[in-house]
Formats: sequence, C-alpha cells, structure tokens
Amino acid sequence: EAQVTQNPRYLITVTGKKLTVTCSQNMNHEYMSWYRQDPGLGLRQIYYSMNVEVTDKGDVPEGYKVSRKEKRNFPLILESPSPNQTSLYFCASHRVAGWGTGELFFGEGSRLTVL
Amino acid sequence: KQEVTQIPAALSVPEGENLVLNCSFTDSAIYNLQWFRQDPGKGLTSLLLIQSSQREQTSGRLNASLDKSSGRSTLYIAASQPGDSATYLCAAQGGSEKLVFGKGTKLTVNP
Repeated sequence: EAQVTQNPRYLITVTGKKLTVTCSQNMNHEYMSWYRQDPGLGLRQIYYSMNVEVTDKGDVPEGYKVSRKEKRNFPLILESPSPNQTSLYFCASHRVAGWGTGELFFGEGSRLTVL
Repeated sequence: KQEVTQIPAALSVPEGENLVLNCSFTDSAIYNLQWFRQDPGKGLTSLLLIQSSQREQTSGRLNASLDKSSGRSTLYIAASQPGDSATYLCAAQGGSEKLVFGKGTKLTVNP
C-alpha cells in the first residue's frame, strides 16, 4: 500500500528540548516536503527536497532543519522548539513528473504542542 | 506571488443536493491544480489532479474543472452524502514543484 508514514503522531514537549519528527514514504518519490497547518493560516510549506541531498527552504523555514540522506526518509528537526511552533505538521511526497507534479500523498499528520 | 482563494469558507447543504466548490488563483501560469479532502485531525487525500492542458477531470460523483484564463477551478459534487462532509482544499502548482494551497471550504452535508 502506497503511504507516507509520520512519527510521532502526537507529541507534547517543552521549550528548548530538541525533537525530530520522522517521515518515510514507500513510493520511491523524488520530491518530499513538510507543511504546517494552523487555524486561519492554512497549509504553509516549511522545507522541501527534490531528491537525495537536495533540500531547500519553503515559506516558513525559521526554527526548523531537515535532511535527506535516503530517498525514502525526510526527517524534520526542531533544534530548540518554541511555543509558536505548536502546530499540526504534515509530510508529503510526490514523483517528479518532468512537467508538473504527480499526485501528492500526505502523511496522517503530527500534532506538536510546545509548552 | 501566487495566491489561492476558496470561497465560501464553510457550506452546509441537505443530503442529495448537487453542489459546487470554488477555487481561484492569481497567477494563471500553473502546471496543474489539485483538489484534496481533509477529514478532522487527518491528513489530506488527493481527489483530482487537472493538468494545465486539461479542462476537467472526473472521479465518480466528483468533477473538477479548470479555466486558466479566468484563474478559476470548480469542484462539482453530485448527489451529496453525509460522508462527503469534510474540508476541501485546492492547490495550484507553479514553478519549482511548489504548490500553493487555499484555506479550504468546510462542507457539511446534513441527513
């Protein structure tokens, strides 16, 4: 079954305690990205990756890091979380179609609360 | 900068009604437009993808149209059911594989 898997699904942490949200896809997609979803603001892209070892900033990258050492994995790292990073996070992937994107697949989301 | 707008933000209809959800975008130079469904607390599920060269796509009771010249897309849902209740989002894809999302229309279908 084609899927994007995120962990953890729910996390409560405290300010400054480093955390990593993992994301893995089993579709051999080149493109992976991270979004955060906040009420009234919609989905905003944090970082994206076009392929292994290729990453770039999205619209709201401050306070986040990513890496793409393997094609299937794209972890999101919060080095020093702050309360304004409390949000619902989504990982997504799609194939690079050469002319426009393919269908976008989303993970189930990770709800993060920073106290 | 691409901006995507969905109006209305919320819509409530009786079961069985046909309905149209609207999506508008400011930059007509898009590669494609996608429609998604999001259930509460869940991820997004892709419903339909329309390439820029296409005018419409259909899947079951869903039909999505695209008019690049006017910067508009519509999602038509026929014979709505309570199970269609969800938030529907559209996203326009421009350069660099980047998608810009609307904020969604929350649909409630009442039995």
